[in-house]
Amino acid sequence: DVKVTQSSRYLVKRTGEKVFLECVQDMDHENMFWYRQDPGLGLRLIYFSYDVKMKEKGDIPEGYSVSREKKERFSLILESASTNQTSMYLCASSSIRQNQPQHFGDGTRLSIL
Amino acid sequence: AQTVTQSQPEMSVQEAETVTLSCTYDTSESDYYLFWYKQPPSRQMILVIRQEAYKQQNATENRFSVNFQKAAKSFSLKISDSQLGDAAMYFCAYRSDYSSASKIIFGSGTRLSIRP
Repeated sequence: DVKVTQSSRYLVKRTGEKVFLECVQDMDHENMFWYRQDPGLGLRLIYFSYDVKMKEKGDIPEGYSVSREKKERFSLILESASTNQTSMYLCASSSIRQNQPQHFGDGTRLSIL
Repeated sequence: AQTVTQSQPEMSVQEAETVTLSCTYDTSESDYYLFWYKQPPSRQMILVIRQEAYKQQNATENRFSVNFQKAAKSFSLKISDSQLGDAAMYFCAYRSDYSSASKIIFGSGTRLSIRP
């Protein structure tokens, strides 16, 4: 089975801190994704990566950056955390084959105080 | 740009009965894939069912089936013999067939509750 592991289930940080969310997948997937999930808004794509060191902006990239130095690891960085970034963050991975679904991690519930 | 719309924020069904969740999408492409994902409370999102747009036959997975109407751009999910474990958020999703780097576009979700 594909396993996507997010480093934390719950995280509490303070405004202005630099926050790192880590995601690792074990299926040699080319594509990796970061979403945030908010009630009534569904999943909104922040960034995605289709190869090592490659990244593409999603729908809401402002205030975030990403890093993909190795194929299995995709990190989301909040440069200077703000309260409006309090949310559930989901990482996903998929193969390049379009008929294949995304596989999700358990999510990180991030609270910015 | 493609969009996915789920017009039912919440649905409720009696245990053992059938429920249908609606999804419509907008695209100018002819080749694509559609998915339904399930997210139980505090648990991981998992794939329920997928449909290739080039296939006319509706996909079925045990108690889950879809009604895919390509011309109408509609992709509803039917859950038969509902069980308590079906309670979850359900997301409809679209993925283009034109690029291996294509992203998946999700709807806003439908929260399904099951009445015992």
